[in-house]
Amino acid sequence: DAGITQSPRHKVTETGTPVTLRCHQTENHRYMYWYRQDPGHGLRLIHYSYGVKDTDKGEVSDGYSVSRSKTEDFLLTLESATSSQTSVYFCAISGGSSMPNTGELFFGEGSRLTVL
Amino acid sequence: GESVGLHLPTLSVQEGDNSIINCAYSNSASDYFIWYKQESGKGPQFIIDIRSNMDKRQGQRVTVLLNKTVKHLSLQIAATQPGDSAVYFCAENIGDYGQNFVFGPGTRLSVLP
Repeated sequence: DAGITQSPRHKVTETGTPVTLRCHQTENHRYMYWYRQDPGHGLRLIHYSYGVKDTDKGEVSDGYSVSRSKTEDFLLTLESATSSQTSVYFCAISGGSSMPNTGELFFGEGSRLTVL
Repeated sequence: GESVGLHLPTLSVQEGDNSIINCAYSNSASDYFIWYKQESGKGPQFIIDIRSNMDKRQGQRVTVLLNKTVKHLSLQIAATQPGDSAVYFCAENIGDYGQNFVFGPGTRLSVLP
């Protein structure tokens, strides 16, 4: 168990509403990531963070924003949810508190979001 | 639980047999590879990794083979057990930085009693 908690685990919302997913880690890892997983696709990177207040875009960042005000928390926000954002979202961490972000990714249990 | 793919290729094997799951990766410059296991409703779990300076690596009941010539990765599971039923996918990386991972869509392994 890599000490990663995602919340909520399940959410149903309506088009146009804002949604925030939270990832909390107890490992003091510097690097955190948000991925989405859809049928027929591999995991795709949305955004990642390389430290407090330091974030960057991934492959599918349009429509998403992130924030990292503390080492342990990485928030993913959908400002105005659309049906195309219905997906399973996974948070991941890598590296250590002072190590580079190399090596394996450790994943959370996922958050299923349905946008009606 | 969360479904990871409704139309994934499926491999069905008898309990006790060996399983071989294949993955074609996309970038000849990739130099680090990981196999993940994902059970229904859970996040991906690390199984085994291999770097491009190796062509084979063994773990407990699992072996990963890397063929760089044809950009192919395989995962062999010995004496497959019911608990091995899951979706398995490979990930490739260039430069071994977390944000560079590219993930395959996966293969569903079904273990028959």
